[in-house]
Amino acid sequence: KQEVTQIPAALSVPEGENLVLNCSFTDSAIYNLQWFRQDPGKGLTSLLLIQSSQREQTSGRLNASLDKSSGRSTLYIAASQPGDSATYLCAVIYNQGGKLIFGQGTELSVKP
Amino acid sequence: EPEVTQTPSHQVTQMGQEVILRCVPISNHLYFYWYRQILGQKVEFLVSFYNNEISEKSEIFDDQFSVERPDGSNFTLKIRSTKLEDSAMYFCASMKQSYGYTFGSGTRLTVV
Repeated sequence: KQEVTQIPAALSVPEGENLVLNCSFTDSAIYNLQWFRQDPGKGLTSLLLIQSSQREQTSGRLNASLDKSSGRSTLYIAASQPGDSATYLCAVIYNQGGKLIFGQGTELSVKP
Repeated sequence: EPEVTQTPSHQVTQMGQEVILRCVPISNHLYFYWYRQILGQKVEFLVSFYNNEISEKSEIFDDQFSVERPDGSNFTLKIRSTKLEDSAMYFCASMKQSYGYTFGSGTRLTVV
């Protein structure tokens, strides 16, 4: 069964810390992987998309890496800010146009 | 930046009533989706739509659910006879080939 797991489920850090969120997937034959941010009661905002042939993508203070062979991705957030507080979701897709399979998310709290 | 628009943002309905959730995907996208998220749970795939027909559906998407793209711009999800367990946030999404998903802000459906 194709599943996505995110560790940790929740994380609380002081402002300014660098942090890493982890995502693992059971079937490594992914087409691509996408990281999203979800604020409480709100929709999903796309952060980074990594194609299966890529190893990493960067956007501002965010860097996502992909190791397909081991079934893992990490989202690195540099110099965290209170505005980064949200739930971060990892999702994989196995074919063009196919469905996203989501992890349960990591709830991040950045304290001032 | 183009957006996926969902209406209404919140709908309250009585058990057994029909509801229609509406979405306007991004105009040049080819793939359209509905997902749902029950409070505190993972985002779950419901159905995908491509080339004017359903391309994949989950086991959640039973005979009570239907989708339509009636006029080339709107994309609707109908639930014929709502149950209490249909209470959830429903997300519409669209995708242009290989460019990742864009999600709407969601409709919170409350069945009473």
